Amino acid sequence: GAGVSQSPSNKVTEKGKDVELRCDPISGHTALYWYRQRLGQGLEFLIYFQGNSAPDKSGLPSDRFSAERTGESVSTLTIQRTQQEDSAVYLCASSLAGGRTHEQFFGPGTRLTVL
Amino acid sequence: AQSVTQLGSHVSVSEGALVLLRCNYSSSVPPYLFWYVQYPNQGLQLLLKYTSAATLVKGINGFEAEFKKSETSFHLTKPSAHMSDAAEYFCAVSGSSNTGKLIFGQGTTLQVKP
Repeated sequence: GAGVSQSPSNKVTEKGKDVELRCDPISGHTALYWYRQRLGQGLEFLIYFQGNSAPDKSGLPSDRFSAERTGESVSTLTIQRTQQEDSAVYLCASSLAGGRTHEQFFGPGTRLTVL
Repeated sequence: AQSVTQLGSHVSVSEGALVLLRCNYSSSVPPYLFWYVQYPNQGLQLLLKYTSAATLVKGINGFEAEFKKSETSFHLTKPSAHMSDAAEYFCAVSGSSNTGKLIFGQGTTLQVKP
């Protein structure tokens, strides 16, 4: 594909439900990042995957959040028992490799609304 | 630890006027600094980055930024604003050479008036 894709583009859910967000990185990109953008705020780092290394989960806000990535392909971010404060745009980015010398390419995001 | 502060959540300029968006950073290690632009309903796009080489960095669409270590600043400028520059701009720092994770400022919305 030409760029990073994310699905769904919009998700409305009820408080307490689980949601799963998907990210398809650029083919060949070994590094993948998830960020959260709350209304009127900057992006917050959530989690980082690099190849088969253990992910950096230091940004996950609670144990209700988890993410998986199979190899160097698709990643899913799961939020269990959603709360209203989880409402945000969730952005995925990929880069050729990990580290700060490689540009991160961002997807369009998934807008999550928790009622 | 790293942090970024963007002064001014909203900036309004007239078409053709100078654009100045302010960014100050804090980093315990030599930083890499970035400016991203986000157009409505689109993902972030990299405008430019500082990676410890030249302190004056030129980016796309006529934007440039100057790294000033003594002021811990990385302000974004453009000599003449176009209507198409209206968007949200984010400054970010990466202090982690291992992961490259970015720490973002809160963003500045640029409005360009005709």
